[in-house]
Amino acid sequence: GQQLNQSPQSMFIQEGEDVSMNCTSSSIFNTWLWYKQEPGEGPVLLIALYKAGELTSNGRLTAQFGITRKDSFLNISASIPSDVGIYFCAGGVGGGADGLTFGKGTHLIIQP
Amino acid sequence: NAGVMQNPRHLVRRRGQEARLRCSPMKGHSHVYWYRQLPEEGLKFMVYLQKENIIDESGMPKERFSAEFPKEGPSILRIQQVVRGDSAAYFCASSPNGRGDPQYFGPGTRLTVL
Repeated sequence: GQQLNQSPQSMFIQEGEDVSMNCTSSSIFNTWLWYKQEPGEGPVLLIALYKAGELTSNGRLTAQFGITRKDSFLNISASIPSDVGIYFCAGGVGGGADGLTFGKGTHLIIQP
Repeated sequence: NAGVMQNPRHLVRRRGQEARLRCSPMKGHSHVYWYRQLPEEGLKFMVYLQKENIIDESGMPKERFSAEFPKEGPSILRIQQVVRGDSAAYFCASSPNGRGDPQYFGPGTRLTVL
């Protein structure tokens, strides 16, 4: 089956630093999405990407859909304490097979 | 505009019992997806349903698990004769039209099998 390799597994950073995480796959995806999950809650959609090469921002978050359709990255600028959580990438194929394939997540921990 | 609703939030069952998990999609959404999450893992797709139809059940275990999304009422994920390995968080997501639309997740049901 399809797999997404997400890295890094965890990040320990200082408040105010920029963050970068990425996902790669051996398969092509037609949609890339980035979610954030906090303990005891469901994933919350941050950014959705639909076209190869697309670069999209949502406040301090920026994500790109890789030109090969096999990778995506998420950047967070000027991190703040509420950015703490687990960030997941997810890839979609579409065409009726709409179940998303998720990475294993990046744990973001911010030290004051 | 209410989001995706799931209940119960926590469910405890003994081995051999049945578990029923309910999901009400966002208003205006007719596509529902179920995922399972084990501790320290990403979400794994189980099944994709549209009203009264199962579209894709490629991630669903072949035995003991079933899902439905009736014309009226919530989507139901049913697990018969639960075993300890079924303990996990089960998430439901919905989208307006499928076809690659973003999926919005509910808060999940944490199932514990004793």
